[in-house]
Amino acid sequence: EAGVAQSPRYKIIEKRQSVAFWCNPISGHATLYWYQQILGQGPKLLIQFQNNGVVDDSQLPKDRFSAERLKGVDSTLKIQPAKLEDSAVYLCASSQTEGAEQYFGPGTRLTVT
Amino acid sequence: GQQVMQIPQYQHVQEGEDFTTYCNSSTTLSNIQWYKQRPGGHPVFLIQLVKSGEVKKQKRLTFQFGEAKKNSSLHITATQTTDVGTYFCAQNTGNQFYFGTGTSLTVIP
Repeated sequence: EAGVAQSPRYKIIEKRQSVAFWCNPISGHATLYWYQQILGQGPKLLIQFQNNGVVDDSQLPKDRFSAERLKGVDSTLKIQPAKLEDSAVYLCASSQTEGAEQYFGPGTRLTVT
Repeated sequence: GQQVMQIPQYQHVQEGEDFTTYCNSSTTLSNIQWYKQRPGGHPVFLIQLVKSGEVKKQKRLTFQFGEAKKNSSLHITATQTTDVGTYFCAQNTGNQFYFGTGTSLTVIP
């Protein structure tokens, strides 16, 4: 079974620029999560989708972050404009159902200079 | 936001010693999950606990869920160098999912 795919793996941008991350979950997984993991900290949930609907986005900084999962399969996370404090690893995870074990992708390491 | 406290933050042990990490919540949990993240890697699911007082074992790992469903622990017996990494608890309080601060385990050969 193929795992969760993410791209790009690494991205370096200047502050105030825009960036987008892509995630393809495991086939058949209804729930998709985006996390931000700052070095030395635990993953912080940004947004959770159930199929193509948002379940929780309470910790998503909506003035600059947006995410979509239009067809209930793959998803994109966008940051516009980026700030220095957005430097982190952005992890995508999926699970068969809400609350079930999560399978994580390799993550995208973002550096904002 | 939700505070998910894990202690200790760091633990160094000699190979063969035991290790325990604790996870505490201020609210009653629907369930709790444990993940392991190797240095430079991504979190990998270990186990999920659902029932009050539940105890589950995976070889040298023992997981417990408190009677009040507000705390949990992970105990590793006779650590090995392959146990190195950061162990996170992850709490599900209905619709919201929170990872703990993690315990970083170093095993000295």
